[in-house]
Amino acid sequence: ETGVTQSPTHLIKTRGQQVTLRCSSQSGHNTVSWYQQALGQGPQFIFQYYREEENGRGNFPPRFSGLQFPNYSSELNVNALELDDSALYLCASSLGGQANYGYTFGSGTRLTVV
Amino acid sequence: AQKVTQAQTEISVVEKEDVTLDCVYETRDTTYYLFWYKQPPSGELVFLIRRNSFDEQNEISGRYSWNFQKSTSSFNFTITASQVVDSAVYFCALADYIPTFGRGTSLIVHP
Repeated sequence: ETGVTQSPTHLIKTRGQQVTLRCSSQSGHNTVSWYQQALGQGPQFIFQYYREEENGRGNFPPRFSGLQFPNYSSELNVNALELDDSALYLCASSLGGQANYGYTFGSGTRLTVV
Repeated sequence: AQKVTQAQTEISVVEKEDVTLDCVYETRDTTYYLFWYKQPPSGELVFLIRRNSFDEQNEISGRYSWNFQKSTSSFNFTITASQVVDSAVYFCALADYIPTFGRGTSLIVHP
């Protein structure tokens, strides 16, 4: 059983640019949640996708958007990058959106905005 | 609104010491879940334990144990006879649906 894989592992972008991060969910999981973890902080919920539909969103502006594909993999897109977007972005997959189903996390994408 | 407080930012111990990581939570829900995750330097969050709000039974798993007390809204985590490999950031999380994480406690175990 493969786990959650995220790509790329590291990324450097310039302020104002756009970025796309990718996540392959664990086999059998139909839900993907994205979290942003700033340095020294806990993960903050961005949004969740369940069967290709957004299924909940945290306190993030619309320039954070996402997609989920029929194979349940997912993308996180961030437009008009700001310096404060520098963080570790974590993807978690689960069978269903509720926490009791158990979330499996990937190793994250470290985004640096300069 | 849900809130998780991990007041200990960093704990430093010597190998074989016992260490307790504190977690205090706030929620208005009667049904919720509590979690502990470990985050090694590689970055992924490793699941350690999940408890639901109706199960206050303490749990022991090897050197790890958890103490859940609804009366004080706490879910503390104890590592007995700590080892260098236990060095990591530990997160407590609370969920009715989507997990809300605390800020984490960095545990450093010195040889």
